[in-house]
Amino acid sequence: NAGVTQTPKFQVLKTGQSMTLQCAQDMNHEYMSWYRQDPGMGLRLIHYSVGAGITDQGEVPNGYNVSRSTTEDFPLRLLSAAPSQTSVYFCASRNPRGQRYNEQFFGPGTRLTVL
Amino acid sequence: QQQVKQSPQSLIVQKGGISIINCAYENTAFDYFPWYQQFPGKGPALLIAIRPDVSEKKEGRFTISFNKSAKQFSLHIMDSQPGDSATYFCAASIIGNTPLVFGKGTRLSVIA
Repeated sequence: NAGVTQTPKFQVLKTGQSMTLQCAQDMNHEYMSWYRQDPGMGLRLIHYSVGAGITDQGEVPNGYNVSRSTTEDFPLRLLSAAPSQTSVYFCASRNPRGQRYNEQFFGPGTRLTVL
Repeated sequence: QQQVKQSPQSLIVQKGGISIINCAYENTAFDYFPWYQQFPGKGPALLIAIRPDVSEKKEGRFTISFNKSAKQFSLHIMDSQPGDSATYFCAASIIGNTPLVFGKGTRLSVIA
């Protein structure tokens, strides 16, 4: 299993540009989520999904869109990038049932810089 | 409103010493309390977790102590090693399809 994969690893954008951060998992996990990590701020939840076709907002959703058309994929879209969105973005997934229930697996992260 | 408060922000411990990181939570409905470990340039990874029906859980050199009445839990790293140098996050959630709420993290440095 590849686990949780994220692309790209690094990205530089100009203010106002849009882009999509890709996230995929091969563990058949129902629950997926996106976090941003900023110095001194910990991991803040942007959006999450409890299954295909179902998404919900987290703590800091403004400026981001998500969709969940398949169990495997959960892309995060930046609509019009702003310098305040400079951060490291982590995708995560977990299975709320089974032997390792509630263990959340994180991807390697995408480091985004907005100029 | 910060639901999980973590302290200290940073910690320096001598090799062989005990590292202690504390967390406090507000929501009494939380029933799952994990600790995650993150090395530079990597995503966080689950280290150890506890449910509120026990007061302590030990895995190797890592122990979680849980105080339900005080709404506090802590991570103890015994015989700390330089390889333990990382950022540690506590978290809390309600079991099931609810989001994990994270503390702000503690940067641990273990020096020889």
